[in-house]
Amino acid sequence: TQLLEQSPQFLSIQEGENLTVYCNSSSVFSSLQWYRQEPGEGPVLLVTVVTGGEVKKLKRLTFQFGDARKDSSLHITAAQPGDTGLYLCAGGENFNKFYFGSGTKLNVKP
Amino acid sequence: DVKVTQSSRYLVKRTGEKVFLECVQDMDHENMFWYRQDPGLGLRLIYFSYDVKMKEKGDIPEGYSVSREKKERFSLILESASTNQTSMYLCASSLLGQGNQPQHFGDGTRLSIL
Repeated sequence: TQLLEQSPQFLSIQEGENLTVYCNSSSVFSSLQWYRQEPGEGPVLLVTVVTGGEVKKLKRLTFQFGDARKDSSLHITAAQPGDTGLYLCAGGENFNKFYFGSGTKLNVKP
Repeated sequence: DVKVTQSSRYLVKRTGEKVFLECVQDMDHENMFWYRQDPGLGLRLIYFSYDVKMKEKGDIPEGYSVSREKKERFSLILESASTNQTSMYLCASSLLGQGNQPQHFGDGTRLSIL
């Protein structure tokens, strides 16, 4: 069983649409990270959130950490084909161990 | 920029062989990790190390071992490869912290066991 559940698993949308990806757990984490992975490459960190209720923006991407530090969401406004990729959330424990979700595969069609 | 280099992008081995996957990082990071990535399962932690000669089991250590003789190098060893170890293997490194340090990944080794 996955400690972190991501939904949806797959998402195929048109350029310009908005979308939200969810990352849920019954466990509390000291931080929550979001990564994007493109084919043939390793995941690359997008953001780290550490405080319950925290909201961070990265251009068209908005990340939120739940008040209880168990869940997170990633919202993309006006998606572009360059946003295509696998989005992974990862919950961090003290002393650096991380648990990854199964990922959301996003395809943005031009 | 942090660079994490994995020795091979693609590797094909036979059942029963001993397989070595090598990973080197150039930013003096204390932590190093080995994950395997399978469709629908995300990244699963095999082993991690927070210092030279130190190692901790992750969630799926069975069939694997690791070696960290130098700070910059972390090796994953499949003692006797089996077909269910066919997968993408990812190495990562990070600074020591309170569970909030970013992990820097290599580009992965796609391993096929025939």
